Amino acid sequence: QLQLQESGPGLMKPSETLSLTCTVSGGSISSGNFYWGWIRQPPGKGLEWIGSVYDRESTYYSPSLKRRVTISIDTSKNQFSLKLSSVTAADTAIYYCARHIGIGAFDYWGQGTLVTVSS
Amino acid sequence: SYVLTQPPSVSVAPGQTARITCGGNNIGTKSVHWYQQRPGQAPVLVVYDDSDRPSEIPERFSGSNSGNTATLTISRVEAGDEADYYCQVWDTSSDHPFGGGTKLTVL
Repeated sequence: QLQLQESGPGLMKPSETLSLTCTVSGGSISSGNFYWGWIRQPPGKGLEWIGSVYDRESTYYSPSLKRRVTISIDTSKNQFSLKLSSVTAADTAIYYCARHIGIGAFDYWGQGTLVTVSS
Repeated sequence: SYVLTQPPSVSVAPGQTARITCGGNNIGTKSVHWYQQRPGQAPVLVVYDDSDRPSEIPERFSGSNSGNTATLTISRVEAGDEADYYCQVWDTSSDHPFGGGTKLTVL
């Protein structure tokens, strides 16, 4: 059974760069035509797609976050990562990592990790 | 920008049928996916590609998609179905592939 697990700091200060890692177990991150994505959910609000990575040359970002986001993949560690620069309180959210196939559904999700941005 | 519109809330009595809609321009030409999110939990895929269901999802969950509206139907609603439900569509003109979500309340 494929499992995804997010890890990273729970508390950050404004202007810092958020770094999260998603570790994939129960399957290889480089097998199959899968995309690996990040989605976030501010407290009490809906889901927001941040971006996805297919391989080292193929990344796709939400236009509204593109200037601040970098998603990378490390097949040797079976991990993919999210960097979000210049965070503000508006970036406070639960961050999920998930798998999808092209324009397909997100079929496996991590449990999510809460990131709070506060001075 | 492609916008998905869901009703904020839907209420239904146990044993009845709940229908949650997702509106979008010509959404019937796109593949729609639906997620269930119980409080404090990660979203779970319940319907993909308009009407297919993961093997672990009960047959009570079904989907349809035509014209400008996609619909998630939950038959014989149970208390455990109370959750937020999100539709999702990939569109190159949108950076918001998820609908705003619908809170299903079981009366």
